[in-house]
Amino acid sequence: DAKTTQPNSMESNEEEPVHLPCNHSTISGTDYIHWYRQLPSQGPEYVIHGLTSNVNNRMASLAIAEDRKSSTLILHRATLRDAAVYYCILRDGRGGADGLTFGKGTHLIIQP
Amino acid sequence: NAGVTQTPKFRILKIGQSMTLQCTQDMNHNYMYWYRQDPGMGLKLIYYSVGAGITDKGEVPNGYNVSRSTTEDFPLRLELAAPSQTSVYFCASSRDLSGANVLTFGAGSRLTVL
Repeated sequence: DAKTTQPNSMESNEEEPVHLPCNHSTISGTDYIHWYRQLPSQGPEYVIHGLTSNVNNRMASLAIAEDRKSSTLILHRATLRDAAVYYCILRDGRGGADGLTFGKGTHLIIQP
Repeated sequence: NAGVTQTPKFRILKIGQSMTLQCTQDMNHNYMYWYRQDPGMGLKLIYYSVGAGITDKGEVPNGYNVSRSTTEDFPLRLELAAPSQTSVYFCASSRDLSGANVLTFGAGSRLTVL
C-alpha cells in the first residue's frame, strides 16, 4: 500500500498561486494520484486526479513529476474560500480497497 | 441532486447507549463507505460495501456494525457507545473501486459520547 507525504501546513496570500507538494516515492505504475480537500466543518470533496500526464480542471491543475515520485497541486489564484485541508492519496488502478484511508493532509492558510 | 445525505448531523450519547447513523445516496453508486475523523487527524475507514448484501471491514471496524439491504442506504450501528467513539463520521460513495474513480462524501455526523 503506497503512502504519501505532505507538509503539515502552508500559508499563502489571496490572489496568488499556491503550489501544494506531495511525495509518493513508492508509487506503483498503476497508482492514480488523487487530491481531495476538506473545507472547515464539511466533508472532503474531490479536486483532481491523474495517472501520468498533467491534468487541468476548473478547480486546479495537477503537475506530476516525470518519475511519478512526486506531484504538485496548483491553485492558480487562491481565494479565502480555498482555505482547507488538502489530501493527496494514491488509488490502485487495478481496483481494491487499498488507498481509501486519508492521512493528515496539508492545512492551507490563505491570508487576505 | 442531493448526493450523499447523512443523519443526524449532531448527537450526544451516554456511555453504553446504542444508535444508528443513517447514510443515503441518490447517485446509484454501488460502493459505499464509512469513515471516522478524530480532531486534527485524517480519515480512517471503518467499513465499506461493494453492493447490496456485501460489506467488508476497513482499518478500524471494532465497536461498529453495518448492513446494506439496498443500493441507496448504508447505516452504521454503534453498539455500547464508548468515549473513544467520539468523532465525526463521514459516509461516502463511488461508482466502483477502480483507481480512477472518485469518492463523494456526505456532510458528516458529529457524535459525542459522555
